[in-house]
Amino acid sequence: EAGVAQSPRYKIIEKRQSVAFWCNPISGHATLYWYQQILGQGPKLLIQFQNNGVVDDSQLPKDRFSAERLKGVDSTLKIQPAKLEDSAVYLCASSPPGRESGIFGPGTRLTVT
Amino acid sequence: QQQVKQSPQSLIVQKGGISIINCAYENTAFDYFPWYQQFPGKGPALLIAIRPDVSEKKEGRFTISFNKSAKQFSLHIMDSQPGDSATYFCAASSSGNTPLVFGKGTRLSVIA
Repeated sequence: EAGVAQSPRYKIIEKRQSVAFWCNPISGHATLYWYQQILGQGPKLLIQFQNNGVVDDSQLPKDRFSAERLKGVDSTLKIQPAKLEDSAVYLCASSPPGRESGIFGPGTRLTVT
Repeated sequence: QQQVKQSPQSLIVQKGGISIINCAYENTAFDYFPWYQQFPGKGPALLIAIRPDVSEKKEGRFTISFNKSAKQFSLHIMDSQPGDSATYFCAASSSGNTPLVFGKGTRLSVIA
């Protein structure tokens, strides 16, 4: 089966600019996650979707981060405005109903200068 | 309560040796404990997972040992190979489709 697709793979922006990441989960996977992985740390959940509804966004910095999952399939994560500390890899994962382990995409490496 | 503590931060093992990575948790509601393997430039990939109803699970060269009373679990990689060189993350979640909480990772280097 095709894996989780993410784009772009790399992005360099200046602080205070905006950026958007795209994720296409595995077909049929109802649950979609966005994680932030700072260098040298484990992934940290930003937001979890079940179909097109938000299940958990308690760790999403809502003053600058937003995410949506239109029609319960693709998802976009946006940062506006970006800060230096947002430099990280942004991972998208998806899982089918009843499965606790998500399948991760390759991630988008964001560098904020 | 949500933290998963992982050690060591880095590990160097000779080819053919045993690699051991440990994790500890505090939240007794956790009932699913996976290990992920991550290569540079790739997303984490599920390696093996265990639930608290068993104390050990083995898949090939990879074994999870689980100690419910101590709230600890560990990954053992037998006959470690250079191709096992990667970063390993333990994680935990509670049932009900709750998201995983990850440890900080262990960078494993297997040298010939």
